[in-house]
Formats: sequence, structure tokens, C-alpha cells
Amino acid sequence: AQSVTQLDSQVPVFEEAPVELRCNYSSSVSVYLFWYVQYPNQGLQLLLKYLSGSTLVKGINGFEAEFNKSQTSFHLRKPSVHISDTAEYFCAVIAMRGGNKLTFGTGTQLKVEL
Amino acid sequence: KAGVTQTPRYLIKTRGQQVTLSCSPISGHRSVSWYQQTPGQGLQFLFEYFSETQRNKGNFPGRFSGRQFSNSRSEMNVSTLELGDSALYLCASSLVSENTEAFFGQGTRLTVV
Repeated sequence: AQSVTQLDSQVPVFEEAPVELRCNYSSSVSVYLFWYVQYPNQGLQLLLKYLSGSTLVKGINGFEAEFNKSQTSFHLRKPSVHISDTAEYFCAVIAMRGGNKLTFGTGTQLKVEL
Repeated sequence: KAGVTQTPRYLIKTRGQQVTLSCSPISGHRSVSWYQQTPGQGLQFLFEYFSETQRNKGNFPGRFSGRQFSNSRSEMNVSTLELGDSALYLCASSLVSENTEAFFGQGTRLTVV
């Protein structure tokens, strides 16, 4: 079984400041990792994914994440946030050869303030 | 290319009733998964269908069921609705059966009164 921990339920940050959203996972098998964003009353949109290769992954909207296998982490970063980044962010994993079943963290609400 | 379409967007039902939600995946996608999102439990996996067969199932009671048709469209059904079934139900489609990007619909907001 897999589990995902997002330690910060809310992260307030000023516009143009950098931000890091933390994600740790636990799994007895190898996994693929994802970050999704959800705007109010919307579905989920994929920001980025790690399947293999370089541990630094770049995604849409200027976001990037680094996979750290030894620390079982996949933290999301953006060097300069914008008001429009205000949303809820979910970290998720899929077990390799486990079909398409996503296990999600509890989410981090990013609030960007002027 | 059209995205994942879920109908209806909003639904209000009474306790004890049943409800059917529909999901049309992206054209060519053969895997459809369903998730329940609530403030208390977050995003929880319900089940996944691939080529009309249920491949994975989450830890939900038998009142929750689903099916997939030959054109990959999927429906989920909840019988004997309870207040706690109030949630946003999200459908996701994927191209194939293993570890590929999931594209989500906008969801169906179900309110049970």
C-alpha cells in the first residue's frame, strides 16, 4: 500500500516570493509521482510528473519538483508566485504495475497575497 | 480535443434514493477511474475500469458500483444514499492501463439531503 503526506495544509506567501510545498510518500514498491492543482469548483490539472530519469522535473506554470528517493520526498517549488497560483495542490503516487490507481495526499492550500 | 466530460455537474438527492453519474473519457482513452472528494477524507479512489473490466477497487461499501461500456464511457451508481455520500465525484481517464497521466473531469457535485 502507498501513503502520501503533505505536512502543510495551508501556505500563505506574498506575490513574487518563492514557495515550496512539501510532499513525502511511503510505499513498499516503486512508485511514480505526480503533482496536481485544483482551482475552486474545478477538477484536477496535472502540474508535473516523475516517471524516471532526471530527478528534477519541470512542469507547467513555472513549477518544478525534485524527486529524492532516499528521503522519499517530492517537493514542489516555484521561484516566484503569482496571484493566479492561489489554489489547492495535491501530491499523488501510483504504484508501478498497479494500474492507474492514484493515492493522494491531503492537499496544500496555497494562498498568494499582494 | 475534447476533455473528460462528467454529467451532471450538480445533483441534489434525498437520503435513501439512488443516483447514477456519467463520465465520457477523452477520445481514445480506455481507462476510467473514479474518485470521491470530501473535506474530511480528501481524495479517495473508488474504482478503475479498463476495457469494460474493473481492474482496481477502493475501500467503499457495495452501495458504490460502476461499469464501463464498449465506447469507454463509464457510469457510477450509488444506491441507498446517505448524508455522508455528499461529495465531489471526479472521473479521470487515461490512455492505457498502466501508470499514465490521468486527465480529470470537472466533477459532479452530489448533495444528499
